[in-house]
Amino acid sequence: GAGVSQTPSNKVTEKGKYVELRCDPISGHTALYWYRQSLGQGPEFLIYFQGTGAADDSGLPNDRFFAVRPEGSVSTLKIQRTERGDSAVYLCASSFGPPDTQYFGPGTRLTVL
Amino acid sequence: GESVGLHLPTLSVQEGDNSIINCAYSNSASDYFIWYKQESGKGPQFIIDIRSNMDKRQGQRVTVLLNKTVKHLSLQIAATQPGDSAVYFCAENRESAAQGGSEKLVFGKGTKLTVNP
Repeated sequence: GAGVSQTPSNKVTEKGKYVELRCDPISGHTALYWYRQSLGQGPEFLIYFQGTGAADDSGLPNDRFFAVRPEGSVSTLKIQRTERGDSAVYLCASSFGPPDTQYFGPGTRLTVL
Repeated sequence: GESVGLHLPTLSVQEGDNSIINCAYSNSASDYFIWYKQESGKGPQFIIDIRSNMDKRQGQRVTVLLNKTVKHLSLQIAATQPGDSAVYFCAENRESAAQGGSEKLVFGKGTKLTVNP
């Protein structure tokens, strides 16, 4: 079956701009996670959704970052006033719900110039 | 094993040899551990997992060993193939303090495996 998909695969933007990153989870998965991966590092947790609600947003670095999942399926990660330090690969994962295995998408590589 | 800096630990093996990748975890309360494989430009791919009530679990060509006493995890790959070349991450499942828990994954920094033909 189809895995987790993310769009766009690459996004280049200028400092100060707004970006949206999209995640389509595996069908039937109720849990959705966003992670951020910097070069040479392991992924770092950002936010977790169970259904439509954000159950844990403790990993969001500041209030420029926000994520939604209005219908309990597709999720959008939104970054306002981007900074060069936001450059990273943003990964999405989904599962049937904890403690089930998390399956990752290919990621969106964000570059802030 | 775990890196304390920005440089990935590396492991280089000959095709056909067995590989052992080590990982130390930090939270004695973690009860679920996963190994992921990440190829360049791709997302992490699930390999095998183990729960804290087990010491060993085997999959196809892979074995995970868990030593809770010293908080150590290892991944053994039998008859390593060139297609096994990738970065391998261990992750611990750490239940968050948020209501209902989230069981977010906490990743180590990874080990880069290179398989020489």
